[in-house]
Amino acid sequence: QKEVEQNSGPLSVPEGAIASLNCTYSDRGSQSFFWYRQYSGKSPELIMSIYSNGDKEDGRFTAQLNKASQYVSLLIRDSQPSDSATYLCAVRGGGSNYKLTFGKGTLLTVNP
Amino acid sequence: GAVVSQHPSWVICKSGTSVKIECRSLDFQATTMFWYRQFPKQSLMLMATSNEGSKATYEQGVEKDKFLINHASLTLSTLTVTSAHPEDSSFYICSATPRGLGYGYTFGSGTRLTVV
Repeated sequence: QKEVEQNSGPLSVPEGAIASLNCTYSDRGSQSFFWYRQYSGKSPELIMSIYSNGDKEDGRFTAQLNKASQYVSLLIRDSQPSDSATYLCAVRGGGSNYKLTFGKGTLLTVNP
Repeated sequence: GAVVSQHPSWVICKSGTSVKIECRSLDFQATTMFWYRQFPKQSLMLMATSNEGSKATYEQGVEKDKFLINHASLTLSTLTVTSAHPEDSSFYICSATPRGLGYGYTFGSGTRLTVV
């Protein structure tokens, strides 16, 4: 059973702070890793994708991947109240398995 | 670009009736689409993989005769919930991969199904 684990939270940070979201996965052969943001009642929106070890930055967002530790994280700098949402970690398996496995999500609240 | 359109956004139906949900890729061709279901406070669960021109692949525990999937063209996949019951009430979301399988997966806006 391939699993993706996230701390369900809620994670509460003050406006302007750095929010750190973490995710671990069980399938060592996983190829691709994604972070989605989901507002209540809405469908997920892709924020970041990362495919190789290291950091990937896009604006206020930085994704970090460590395949040896089977760990992927998302940092949100200068957090804004509009960042308040559930953040879903998704992992694609290896080889020809193109299905995504989602974690349960971390609820982030940014307080003004 | 890379828009996945889903319709309807919400539907209320009576128990025992069938409901069809459409998923369209607006500016790209999608040979493969994915159908998910999300219950309140839970994560997305993959129901099936829809393949253009062939039968869908269903995940374990998903009844293929109840959730009919048709992927008749490169831009349209449909999910029909047959003989719906209140326990089928959920948020159904489709997704596709504009840049090819394995890269960013784009989601439709979702369909909130309520069976009364």
